[in-house]
Amino acid sequence: GAVVSQHPSRVICKSGTSVKIECRSLDFQATTMFWYRQFPKKSLMLMATSNEGSKATYEQGVEKDKFLINHASLTLSTLTVTSAHPEDSSFYICSALHRTGRGRTNEKLFFGSGTQLSVL
Amino acid sequence: SQQGEEDPQALSIQEGENATMNCSYKTSINNLQWYRQNSGRGLVHLILIRSNEREKHSGRLRVTLDTSKKSSSLLITASRAADTASYFCATLAETSGSRLTFGEGTQLTVNP
Repeated sequence: GAVVSQHPSRVICKSGTSVKIECRSLDFQATTMFWYRQFPKKSLMLMATSNEGSKATYEQGVEKDKFLINHASLTLSTLTVTSAHPEDSSFYICSALHRTGRGRTNEKLFFGSGTQLSVL
Repeated sequence: SQQGEEDPQALSIQEGENATMNCSYKTSINNLQWYRQNSGRGLVHLILIRSNEREKHSGRLRVTLDTSKKSSSLLITASRAADTASYFCATLAETSGSRLTFGEGTQLTVNP
Protein backbone atom coordinates (compact mmCIF):
# COMPACT_ATOMS: atom_id res chain seq x y z
CA GLY A 1 0.00 0.00 0.00
CA ALA A 2 0.89 3.66 -0.24
CA VAL A 3 3.35 4.99 2.29
CA VAL A 4 3.51 8.41 3.89
CA SER A 5 6.54 9.34 5.93
CA GLN A 6 6.34 12.03 8.59
CA HIS A 7 9.38 13.43 10.30
CA PRO A 8 10.31 14.02 13.05
CA SER A 9 8.25 11.68 15.19
CA ARG A 10 8.92 13.65 18.32
CA VAL A 11 10.31 17.11 18.98
CA ILE A 12 10.89 19.07 22.14
CA CYS A 13 11.64 22.74 21.77
CA LYS A 14 11.87 25.92 23.77
CA SER A 15 9.12 28.50 23.70
CA GLY A 16 9.66 31.01 20.92
CA THR A 17 11.43 28.71 18.51
CA SER A 18 10.05 27.45 15.21
CA VAL A 19 9.60 23.80 14.36
CA LYS A 20 9.29 22.28 10.90
CA ILE A 21 7.49 18.99 10.30
CA GLU A 22 7.82 17.16 7.00
CA CYS A 23 5.31 14.92 5.31
CA ARG A 24 6.39 12.86 2.31
CA SER A 25 4.46 10.52 0.08
CA LEU A 26 7.06 7.87 -0.72
CA ASP A 27 5.55 5.91 -3.58
CA PHE A 28 2.89 8.14 -5.05
CA GLN A 29 2.39 11.74 -6.00
CA ALA A 30 0.03 13.73 -3.83
CA THR A 31 -1.23 17.05 -5.10
CA THR A 32 -3.25 17.34 -1.91
CA MET A 33 -2.12 16.76 1.63
CA PHE A 34 -3.83 17.51 4.90
CA TRP A 35 -2.57 18.55 8.29
CA TYR A 36 -4.37 17.60 11.48
CA ARG A 37 -3.94 18.31 15.12
CA GLN A 38 -4.92 15.84 17.80
CA PHE A 39 -5.19 16.34 21.54
CA PRO A 40 -4.86 13.39 23.93
CA LYS A 41 -7.77 10.97 23.67
CA LYS A 42 -9.49 13.27 21.18
CA SER A 43 -10.33 13.20 17.53
CA LEU A 44 -8.36 14.68 14.67
CA MET A 45 -9.01 18.32 13.91
CA LEU A 46 -8.29 19.36 10.37
CA MET A 47 -6.02 22.39 10.34
CA ALA A 48 -5.43 22.98 6.67
CA THR A 49 -5.41 21.54 3.20
CA SER A 50 -2.05 21.70 1.47
CA ASN A 51 -2.19 22.08 -2.30
CA GLU A 52 0.87 21.51 -4.44
CA GLY A 53 1.94 24.70 -6.13
CA SER A 54 -0.61 26.94 -4.45
CA LYS A 55 -1.47 28.40 -1.09
CA ALA A 56 -2.83 26.20 1.63
CA THR A 57 -6.45 26.41 2.63
CA TYR A 58 -6.84 26.87 6.35
CA GLU A 59 -9.78 25.84 8.49
CA GLN A 60 -11.63 28.44 10.46
CA GLY A 61 -9.79 29.42 13.61
CA VAL A 62 -6.37 28.23 12.47
CA GLU A 63 -3.78 31.00 12.33
CA LYS A 64 -2.10 31.11 8.95
CA ASP A 65 0.91 33.00 10.20
CA LYS A 66 1.33 30.60 13.07
CA PHE A 67 1.15 27.42 11.09
CA LEU A 68 2.99 27.89 7.81
CA ILE A 69 2.37 25.26 5.18
CA ASN A 70 4.46 24.74 2.09
CA HIS A 71 3.75 22.15 -0.59
CA ALA A 72 6.54 22.76 -3.04
CA SER A 73 6.58 19.36 -4.71
CA LEU A 74 4.22 16.52 -5.46
CA THR A 75 5.70 14.42 -2.68
CA LEU A 76 6.46 16.87 0.12
CA SER A 77 4.46 19.16 2.34
CA THR A 78 5.87 20.92 5.37
CA LEU A 79 4.20 22.44 8.40
CA THR A 80 6.17 25.03 10.33
CA VAL A 81 4.96 25.99 13.77
CA THR A 82 6.36 29.48 14.19
CA SER A 83 7.26 30.98 17.53
CA ALA A 84 5.95 27.93 19.32
CA HIS A 85 4.35 28.24 22.72
CA PRO A 86 3.33 25.60 25.26
CA GLU A 87 -0.27 25.72 24.03
CA ASP A 88 0.98 24.54 20.64
CA SER A 89 2.07 21.27 22.23
CA SER A 90 0.08 18.57 20.51
CA PHE A 91 0.20 15.59 18.19
CA TYR A 92 0.33 16.70 14.55
CA ILE A 93 -0.55 14.27 11.78
CA CYS A 94 -0.35 14.66 8.04
CA SER A 95 -2.12 12.70 5.37
CA ALA A 96 -1.73 12.48 1.63
CA LEU A 97 -4.52 11.97 -0.83
CA HIS A 98 -4.00 9.02 -3.12
CA ARG A 99 -6.15 8.79 -6.19
CA THR A 100 -6.45 5.32 -7.68
CA GLY A 101 -8.83 6.28 -10.44
CA ARG A 102 -11.38 8.79 -11.55
CA GLY A 103 -13.94 10.12 -9.17
CA ARG A 104 -13.88 10.84 -5.46
CA THR A 105 -14.92 7.32 -4.64
CA ASN A 106 -11.43 6.25 -5.65
CA GLU A 107 -9.71 8.60 -3.25
CA LYS A 108 -7.98 7.31 -0.13
CA LEU A 109 -6.03 9.07 2.53
CA PHE A 110 -2.78 7.65 3.84
CA PHE A 111 -1.45 8.99 7.08
CA GLY A 112 1.97 9.75 8.42
CA SER A 113 2.89 8.35 11.80
CA GLY A 114 2.51 11.71 13.51
CA THR A 115 4.74 14.18 15.31
CA GLN A 116 4.49 14.76 19.03
CA LEU A 117 5.43 18.37 19.66
CA SER A 118 6.27 19.45 23.19
CA VAL A 119 7.00 23.12 23.76
CA LEU A 120 8.70 23.93 27.06
CA SER B 1 -23.07 18.35 17.71
CA GLN B 2 -20.25 17.27 15.44
CA GLN B 3 -20.38 15.24 12.29
CA GLY B 4 -19.13 11.73 12.89
CA GLU B 5 -20.09 10.96 16.44
CA GLU B 6 -19.19 7.57 17.75
CA ASP B 7 -20.32 5.37 20.52
CA PRO B 8 -19.31 3.94 22.76
CA GLN B 9 -16.43 6.20 23.69
CA ALA B 10 -14.70 3.27 25.31
CA LEU B 11 -15.21 -0.46 25.06
CA SER B 12 -13.49 -3.19 27.01
CA ILE B 13 -13.95 -6.84 26.05
CA GLN B 14 -12.27 -10.20 26.41
CA GLU B 15 -10.24 -11.84 23.67
CA GLY B 16 -12.44 -13.86 21.37
CA GLU B 17 -15.48 -11.66 21.83
CA ASN B 18 -16.90 -9.43 19.14
CA ALA B 19 -16.62 -5.65 19.32
CA THR B 20 -19.18 -3.33 17.78
CA MET B 21 -18.66 0.39 17.36
CA ASN B 22 -21.19 2.82 15.96
CA CYS B 23 -20.87 6.09 14.11
CA SER B 24 -23.48 8.69 13.25
CA TYR B 25 -23.16 11.63 10.92
CA LYS B 26 -25.27 14.53 9.76
CA THR B 27 -24.74 15.44 6.12
CA SER B 28 -24.97 13.53 2.86
CA ILE B 29 -21.83 11.56 2.24
CA ASN B 30 -19.87 10.19 -0.65
CA ASN B 31 -18.28 7.48 1.47
CA LEU B 32 -17.51 6.54 5.05
CA GLN B 33 -14.20 5.17 6.20
CA TRP B 34 -12.95 3.50 9.34
CA TYR B 35 -9.47 4.03 10.68
CA ARG B 36 -7.47 2.55 13.49
CA GLN B 37 -4.94 4.41 15.61
CA ASN B 38 -2.53 2.88 18.06
CA SER B 39 -1.53 5.15 20.90
CA GLY B 40 0.76 7.95 19.74
CA ARG B 41 0.77 6.77 16.17
CA GLY B 42 -0.73 7.70 12.84
CA LEU B 43 -3.95 6.34 11.44
CA VAL B 44 -4.29 3.15 9.48
CA HIS B 45 -7.07 2.89 6.93
CA LEU B 46 -9.23 -0.17 7.61
CA ILE B 47 -12.15 -0.10 5.24
CA LEU B 48 -14.15 2.22 3.02
CA ILE B 49 -17.84 1.87 2.29
CA ARG B 50 -19.47 3.91 -0.42
CA SER B 51 -22.80 5.63 -0.01
CA ASN B 52 -24.51 3.15 -2.32
CA GLU B 53 -23.23 0.16 -0.37
CA ARG B 54 -24.90 -1.32 2.67
CA GLU B 55 -22.37 -3.79 3.95
CA LYS B 56 -18.74 -4.60 3.42
CA HIS B 57 -16.38 -7.22 4.78
CA SER B 58 -12.64 -7.34 5.13
CA GLY B 59 -11.18 -10.23 7.09
CA ARG B 60 -12.55 -10.01 10.61
CA LEU B 61 -14.08 -6.60 9.93
CA ARG B 62 -17.66 -6.01 8.93
CA VAL B 63 -18.97 -2.55 8.21
CA THR B 64 -22.56 -1.57 7.65
CA LEU B 65 -23.94 1.70 6.39
CA ASP B 66 -27.49 2.96 6.75
CA THR B 67 -27.77 6.23 4.87
CA SER B 68 -31.40 6.67 5.89
CA LYS B 69 -30.33 6.75 9.53
CA LYS B 70 -26.99 8.35 8.73
CA SER B 71 -25.16 5.73 10.72
CA SER B 72 -22.52 3.08 10.33
CA SER B 73 -21.21 0.28 12.47
CA LEU B 74 -17.89 -1.50 12.61
CA LEU B 75 -17.86 -5.06 13.88
CA ILE B 76 -14.61 -6.79 14.76
CA THR B 77 -15.14 -10.51 15.20
CA ALA B 78 -13.06 -12.84 17.33
CA SER B 79 -11.13 -9.97 18.79
CA ARG B 80 -7.47 -10.22 19.76
CA ALA B 81 -5.38 -8.31 22.24
CA ALA B 82 -3.60 -6.76 19.26
CA ASP B 83 -6.88 -5.13 18.23
CA THR B 84 -6.54 -2.79 21.20
CA ALA B 85 -6.52 0.70 19.69
CA SER B 86 -8.70 3.72 18.99
CA TYR B 87 -11.09 3.41 16.09
CA PHE B 88 -12.38 6.41 14.16
CA CYS B 89 -15.01 6.76 11.53
CA ALA B 90 -14.53 9.48 8.94
CA THR B 91 -16.96 10.77 6.41
CA LEU B 92 -16.33 12.27 3.02
CA ALA B 93 -19.22 14.62 2.50
CA GLU B 94 -20.68 15.39 -0.89
CA THR B 95 -19.71 19.04 -0.63
CA SER B 96 -16.43 18.99 1.29
CA GLY B 97 -14.03 18.34 -1.53
CA SER B 98 -11.60 15.68 -0.36
CA ARG B 99 -11.70 16.68 3.30
CA LEU B 100 -12.59 13.97 5.77
CA THR B 101 -14.47 14.70 8.98
CA PHE B 102 -13.52 12.42 11.83
CA GLY B 103 -15.66 11.15 14.65
CA GLU B 104 -14.60 11.29 18.27
CA GLY B 105 -13.38 7.73 18.24
CA THR B 106 -13.90 4.60 20.29
CA GLN B 107 -11.13 3.33 22.51
CA LEU B 108 -11.20 -0.45 22.31
CA THR B 109 -9.40 -2.55 24.88
CA VAL B 110 -9.20 -6.28 24.32
CA ASN B 111 -8.13 -8.11 27.43
CA PRO B 112 -6.15 -11.33 27.00
